[in-house]
Amino acid sequence: AQSVTQPDIHITVSEGASLELRCNYSYGATPYLFWYVQSPGQGLQLLLKYFSGDTLVQGIKGFEAEFKRSQSSFNLRKPSVHWSDAAEYFCAVGGLMEYGNKLVFGAGTILRVKS
Amino acid sequence: DGGITQSPKYLFRKEGQNVTLSCEQNLNHDAMYWYRQDPGQGLRLIYYSQIVNDFQKGDIAEGYSVSREKKESFPLTVTSAQKNPTAFYLCASSILRGSFSNEQFFGPGTRLTVL
Repeated sequence: AQSVTQPDIHITVSEGASLELRCNYSYGATPYLFWYVQSPGQGLQLLLKYFSGDTLVQGIKGFEAEFKRSQSSFNLRKPSVHWSDAAEYFCAVGGLMEYGNKLVFGAGTILRVKS
Repeated sequence: DGGITQSPKYLFRKEGQNVTLSCEQNLNHDAMYWYRQDPGQGLRLIYYSQIVNDFQKGDIAEGYSVSREKKESFPLTVTSAQKNPTAFYLCASSILRGSFSNEQFFGPGTRLTVL
């Protein structure tokens, strides 16, 4: 089945350490790709998006993501995590004709930051 | 400031009652969406609307109803037919009608609890 997969339900990193959150999709065409962040009890905020062009995209709060077509991946990275980055992160894909152009979300990855 | 507002933030309902969740946007966006969020399941699309007086079912529309009488407003009614309504509900909007390729802007959410 076509899907968006975030393999890690929870990730814990130390403050100041680097971070990589994984996202894979199983659609034939190259979709539009998004990363959102959600603090507890809040709405979602867009971190970054990829539509075309440079496969390394920069976002807000020091995050970046790299689209790798050969791996069908769009992993989110940050070189040095801050305690305020603790939240839930969602990968999403859109612009897929076979899916009715809906925005499809992964199940999310909860990031915990330890001091 | 432009944005999306949802009210109330918390809502309690007795079994057998219908309740309506409010969603208003002043971003002049064409499209609006309702998602349901449950722990570990990401976001699931309930209904969406691309134009006033028109809306389509999403993946989990059973037990819900919507209206789109004004561009700015997209209320969601959770009916007594919804078997498990306790969840966090998120409203979103986006610029383009007919495409999910553009980013969606999210409201702060409403937490519904059935007593």
